[in-house]
Amino acid sequence: GAVVSQHPSWVICKSGTSVKIECRSLDFQATTMFWYRQFPKQSLMLMATSNEGSKATYEQGVEKDKFLINHASLTLSTLTVTSAHPEDSSFYICSARLAGVSVDTQYFGPGTRLTVL
Amino acid sequence: GNSVTQMEGPVTLSEEAFLTINCTYTATGYPSLFWYVQYPGEGLQLLLKATKADDKGSNKGFEATYRKETTSFHLEKGSVQVSDSAVYFCALSDGTGGFKTIFGAGTRLFVKA
Repeated sequence: GAVVSQHPSWVICKSGTSVKIECRSLDFQATTMFWYRQFPKQSLMLMATSNEGSKATYEQGVEKDKFLINHASLTLSTLTVTSAHPEDSSFYICSARLAGVSVDTQYFGPGTRLTVL
Repeated sequence: GNSVTQMEGPVTLSEEAFLTINCTYTATGYPSLFWYVQYPGEGLQLLLKATKADDKGSNKGFEATYRKETTSFHLEKGSVQVSDSAVYFCALSDGTGGFKTIFGAGTRLFVKA
């Protein structure tokens, strides 16, 4: 089946530093990837939609200069949290949409837990 | 805008009990509906889906029927197991806006032996 990986699975960083999270579709091409944020015991909040070769579309209230998204290839999207602060600590999850098939073919990565000290 | 509302948890059941987790939605048009499951420490997995009215999605003993007249997609299982303990998310995708998926708040299920 289709597999999506994320790296790293967890990261601890100091306030003010930047952190990059990678999302890879391992055995399929993904024209669209999505980035979500999940707070403890809460649902997933869509942050942005990332399309290969074009700028990401951010949801209302998400700072695009703080959460930089790059979708450089059909198998890789990256999320960079710039100048991280403790309030950015969260569980970040990506999903990838299988190219050329129906709307509901989305596969989720295992998530990355970010802790900002 | 589109939204999904599901029953608050946690839900605690004994093994072999009947499970129902309610889910209702608001959407324009004809969305696809999903149930995802998140086991402790893991990412989301698609549990089942339905793409049109009256469709029934089923997987691993779980079922949900797409009810357009009541805008509902309730999750049911006749006999739960301890291994079903997880967080369950109801979700919809209406195919617009780049195929975004909107999630409900999630319902945590605990199954006791």
